[in-house]
Amino acid sequence: NAGVTQTPKFQVLKTGQSMTLQCAQDMNHEYMSWYRQDPGMGLRLIHYSVGAGITDQGEVPNGYNVSRSTTEDFPLRLLSAAPSQTSVYFCASSPGLPLQYFGPGTRLLVL
Amino acid sequence: AQKVTQAQTEISVVEKEDVTLDCVYETRDTTYYLFWYKQPPSGELVFLIRRNSFDEQNEISGRYSWNFQKSTSSFNFTITASQVVDSAVYFCALSEAKGFQKLVFGTGTRLLVSP
Repeated sequence: NAGVTQTPKFQVLKTGQSMTLQCAQDMNHEYMSWYRQDPGMGLRLIHYSVGAGITDQGEVPNGYNVSRSTTEDFPLRLLSAAPSQTSVYFCASSPGLPLQYFGPGTRLLVL
Repeated sequence: AQKVTQAQTEISVVEKEDVTLDCVYETRDTTYYLFWYKQPPSGELVFLIRRNSFDEQNEISGRYSWNFQKSTSSFNFTITASQVVDSAVYFCALSEAKGFQKLVFGTGTRLLVSP
């Protein structure tokens, strides 16, 4: 199993550009989540999904969209990137237990 | 509302010293889970331990030990005989039973172990 994979590893965007951060898991986990990590802030939940077709907002959802069309994939979309979205993004999945498996992260820089 | 406080921003120790990382949490739920994660310089998040609110037994795993005290809402982490490889950022996190997929993290404690 590859576990949780994220692409790209690093991305530079200009303000106003859009992009999609990819997240995939091959463990057939129902639950998937996106977190962002900022210096001095720890990790904060952006969006999460409890199954295909079901998503909900976390603590800091503004500026991000998600969808869950398959169990395996949970992409995070930035429609119009802002410098405040410069962060490290982690995707996680869970098999329905209180235990999350984190991906390696995507480092995003918005200029 | 849930909250996790890690008051120690950075700790520096010399190898072989013992070090304790503090974690204080707030939750209104009676059933919840507490976690510790390690983030080494390479950036990935490494799961260390999970504790549920009904299990107050302390746990020891090699050089690592955890002290869970509901009376003080604390879940502290001790590294015995620290090593350079323990240098990392350590995060404490909390989730409630009904929303277990939603982790609330503390701000992390950076541990620097020098030789």
